[in-house]
Formats: sequence, C-alpha cells, structure tokens
Amino acid sequence: DVKVTQSSRYLVKRTGEKVFLECVQDMDHENMFWYRQDPGLGLRLIYFSYDVKMKEKGDIPEGYSVSREKKERFSLILESASTNQTSMYLCASSFRTGGNQPQHFGDGTRLSIL
Amino acid sequence: QKEVEQDPGPLSVPEGAIVSLNCTYSNSAFQYFMWYRQYSRKGPELLMYTYSSGNKEDGRFTAQVDKSSKYISLFIRDSQPSDSATYLCALGVSARQLTFGSGTQLTVLP
Repeated sequence: DVKVTQSSRYLVKRTGEKVFLECVQDMDHENMFWYRQDPGLGLRLIYFSYDVKMKEKGDIPEGYSVSREKKERFSLILESASTNQTSMYLCASSFRTGGNQPQHFGDGTRLSIL
Repeated sequence: QKEVEQDPGPLSVPEGAIVSLNCTYSNSAFQYFMWYRQYSRKGPELLMYTYSSGNKEDGRFTAQVDKSSKYISLFIRDSQPSDSATYLCALGVSARQLTFGSGTQLTVLP
C-alpha cells in the first residue's frame, strides 16, 4: 500500500512565523503535490514537483514556497505565516510515467495561525 | 462559473439505500475522472478512476461518465453506515493536475 506521511496532524503557529510542513512518501513516486482544503472551496493546488529539485506553481502559490531535495520528501514553507493561511494542508504523490496515475494522499496537517 | 460543480449536501439516507452523487464540469478537455472518499480527520482515498465515457463497476460502487453532457456520477448500492464520508470528484486534463469538486457530505443512517 502507498504510504504518504505528513509530519504533524495539528500545528498552531503565530502570525509572522516561518512554518515548515513536511511530507514523505515510500512508493518511489516522481510527482508530489501540496494542496490546501477549505470548506466550500475543495482542494486547491499550491505547488507540485515532478522530480528532485523541480517545482511548478499551482493555482494559489502566493505566500508559499517548496523544497524537494530528496525524491521521497517534499516540504511546504510558509515564509511569513498569516491568519488567512489557517487551513487543512494535504500532501499527495503519484507516479509520473504512464500518464494517468492517480494521486495518493496523506492524512493532512490542520494548521492554525493565531 | 467554477470548472467543476458538486452539490455539497449534506445528504442523509437510510441504510440499504442507493446513493447518487454527481458533478458537472465545463472543461471539455478533461479526460481523467476520479472519485475520492474522505473520512473525517483523514486524507482523501481513491475510490474509483476512469478515463472514458460509460460505466465502471467495483463492488457496490459504480462510476458513470457522460462526456457529451459533461456529467459524472458515483452510485453506491446497498449503502452502509461505514460509507458515511465526504465524496470528492476530481477531474483532469492529465492525472498530474486535477481539479476537485468541493465535496458532498454523505451520512448513512443505521
């Protein structure tokens, strides 16, 4: 079974702090994704990566950055956290080859910015 | 207009009922169609996946795609309390970049 592990289930931070969310997958997937999930808005893509050190902006990248130094690990960084970044953050991964491989998700990090 | 529209519910049905969940979309380039199930405080898990028009069946679940009407459905037969969850449709031009519906919250009452 695919395992996508997010380092924290719940996180509380203060406005202006630099926040790191970590995600690790154990299936040798090339693609990794960061989404945020908000009521009524569904999942929105922040960033994705299709290879080590490669990244592409999703639909809502403002205020976020990412890092992928190893294939299995993808980090989301909030450079200066703001209250409107309070949300559920979901990491996902998938194979790149084959063209139609579905995404597998972690259990999410519920982040509160005070 | 959103690219993908999904009725948020909530939807409440008695155990054993047939459940119909639906999404409509506007982008005719979508060719990958997925349904995810998300239990409370968990991440979405893939339930059904298809890339063609027609029906795909897996146990009590049937996914239906009508590209001409830009409409996809998920049917759950003999619904169980364990089916209570939020169901998300996900559509993509490629499986790498998906557009998600906002989710339908389903409760199956024993």
